Amino acid sequence: QQQVKQSPQSLIVQKGGIPIINCAYENTAFDYFPWYQQFPGKGPALLIAIRPDVSEKKEGRFTISFNKSAKQFSLHIMDSQPGDSATYFCAALPLQGAQKLVFGQGTRLTINP
Amino acid sequence: DAGITQSPRHKVTETGTPVTLRCHQTENHRYMYWYRQDPGHGLRLIHYSYGVKDTDKGEVSDGYSVSRSKTEDFLLTLESATSSQTSVYFCAIRLGTSGSDTQYFGPGTRLTVL
Repeated sequence: QQQVKQSPQSLIVQKGGIPIINCAYENTAFDYFPWYQQFPGKGPALLIAIRPDVSEKKEGRFTISFNKSAKQFSLHIMDSQPGDSATYFCAALPLQGAQKLVFGQGTRLTINP
Repeated sequence: DAGITQSPRHKVTETGTPVTLRCHQTENHRYMYWYRQDPGHGLRLIHYSYGVKDTDKGEVSDGYSVSRSKTEDFLLTLESATSSQTSVYFCAIRLGTSGSDTQYFGPGTRLTVL
């Protein structure tokens, strides 16, 4: 049972382009939505996170857009660079309790020079 | 890396053998987690701990057990490994106890069950 659905599975973008990764969730108890970035051979690392009381959050070149009514959120990477090539995971969790993260399936992003 | 180490980093074993993976933290955090990562599934929670000797099941706990006898160590045991348990296993710690506190992940253990 996949509670967070992520698309696309893979994405190739030219340097400077704006890759967009989308996620959708069903559980209305989720109220915190982090994105993780993972490089080969490494563990996932927190990139940016959002709560549903805001519709957008920016940190540097990374932006999360959040649509609470549609239960969807997305990651945009502005002015993408080859160093952004990695696997990206969206996740969700309810703020109450033990913080059991539910991950999307992941998107392998490649930024070509 | 928030002071998390995992051992071993790589292991190859045979079906039916017991396997124990170790997660060690140096900063006395209360919450620790074990996840497995498989293509097409992202990361899925196996078990987690909220204190010494306090553990609970996650989404994919069948075939796994855990123990936490010291704050710094969280062990994941496969009592009788199967090929379906071939995966990359990540340990994570949660900094603090606020709901939005970040989880930091260790470097992972790649397990192959033949």
